[in-house]
Amino acid sequence: DVKVTQSSRYLVKRTGEKVFLECVQDMDHENMFWYRQDPGLGLRLIYFSYDVKMKEKGDIPEGYSVSREKKERFSLILESASTNQTSMYLCATLAYKWSNYGYTFGSGTRLTVV
Amino acid sequence: AQSVAQPEDQVNVAEGNPLTVKCTYSVSGNPYLFWYVQYPNRGLQFLLKYITGDNLVKGSYGFEAEFNKSQTSFHLKKPSALVSDSALYFCAVRDGPSSGSARQLTFGSGTQLTVLP
Repeated sequence: DVKVTQSSRYLVKRTGEKVFLECVQDMDHENMFWYRQDPGLGLRLIYFSYDVKMKEKGDIPEGYSVSREKKERFSLILESASTNQTSMYLCATLAYKWSNYGYTFGSGTRLTVV
Repeated sequence: AQSVAQPEDQVNVAEGNPLTVKCTYSVSGNPYLFWYVQYPNRGLQFLLKYITGDNLVKGSYGFEAEFNKSQTSFHLKKPSALVSDSALYFCAVRDGPSSGSARQLTFGSGTQLTVLP
């Protein structure tokens, strides 16, 4: 089974801090995604990557950046954390573009910005 | 652009009764459709998918879903609900190879299912 590991389950940071959320996968999947989940809004795509050093903006990229230096690791960076970035963050992977096997999700990181 | 609607924020059903969680979608081509379940403070778990083939798709934990192209719907169903089915359910869609280039899934807003003992 594919494993998608998010480094922290719960995180509390102060306003203005630079925050790194890490996601690591162990099955050589090409595509990796960062979503944020908020009640009543479902999951919204922040950024995704289809190859090392490649990235594309999703629906809500403002205030975020990403890094993919190695295939197995996709990092989400909050340049200057704000309280409206308090949310559940979910990482997902997809083997290749038209894979029939769907997406695999990590357990999530619940970030609180105070 | 692709989109998903889950018209009900909350569905309550008695244990042993059938359940339905509704989902409608919009894509420009042939859809890839998914249902996921989320338990409190956990990630999303895959339940089932429709890519092609039979319109009735069977998945994990006794769930099934029916793809209806004319109504652009993909409702999740289970013949007999269990209390342990209580969770948050998400429908998701992406455009298929015939028309879209998008890799990303678009999610509905989620439906909280509560099964009452």
